[in-house]
Amino acid sequence: GNSVTQMEGPVTLSEEAFLTINCTYTATGYPSLFWYVQYPGEGLQLLLKATKADDKGSNKGFEATYRKETTSFHLEKGSVQVSDSAVYFCALVGQAGTALIFGKGTTLSVSS
Amino acid sequence: GAVVSQHPSRVICKSGTSVKIECRSLDFQATTMFWYRQFPKQSLMLMATSNEGSKATYEQGVEKDKFLINHASLTLSTLTVTSAHPEDSSFYICSARDQELAYNEQFFGPGTRLTVL
Repeated sequence: GNSVTQMEGPVTLSEEAFLTINCTYTATGYPSLFWYVQYPGEGLQLLLKATKADDKGSNKGFEATYRKETTSFHLEKGSVQVSDSAVYFCALVGQAGTALIFGKGTTLSVSS
Repeated sequence: GAVVSQHPSRVICKSGTSVKIECRSLDFQATTMFWYRQFPKQSLMLMATSNEGSKATYEQGVEKDKFLINHASLTLSTLTVTSAHPEDSSFYICSARDQELAYNEQFFGPGTRLTVL
């Protein structure tokens, strides 16, 4: 079945450091890929998405490229801020109308 | 953007009581809504898929008689935790799929934290 694997956390960085959170997936067909962010005590917010191979999703300085050849959707940001501290979830949707399948989440902690 | 609300945001109840959680899509129609459960510092686990006008589809291991789901309209789904016990304490999150969007984006509610004493 479909699944998402993302790197274990926590990830601890200093402000302005470069961020990479790895995400790989297993799916049949052509899934849509997402990154969600969850701030402490809150629900999930969509950070970015990509719906087909080679698409690059971007938002708030974060980027991820849908790589079908490596089945990956790694999240990157060139310069993190303290306010980026949160839990990041990689997710996919396989067939239309089905639920999101989430990775286990990666906690990011950024210090000033 | 599309907004999904949940009510209540927090609820504390005594063991044995039932709790109803509402999930509403405020500015779009959602034929499909999903209910997730999240334990502390863990990922979201899909509990059930709720389709308007039909019975919900439950994931393996989720008790349908304990977690009653009703999706009576295109903008409202409810989750009722019946005879709640302390092990049901968790963060419950719903999401709604905007049927007008081709890429299957789902919008999440802010979650409901249930504490059973």
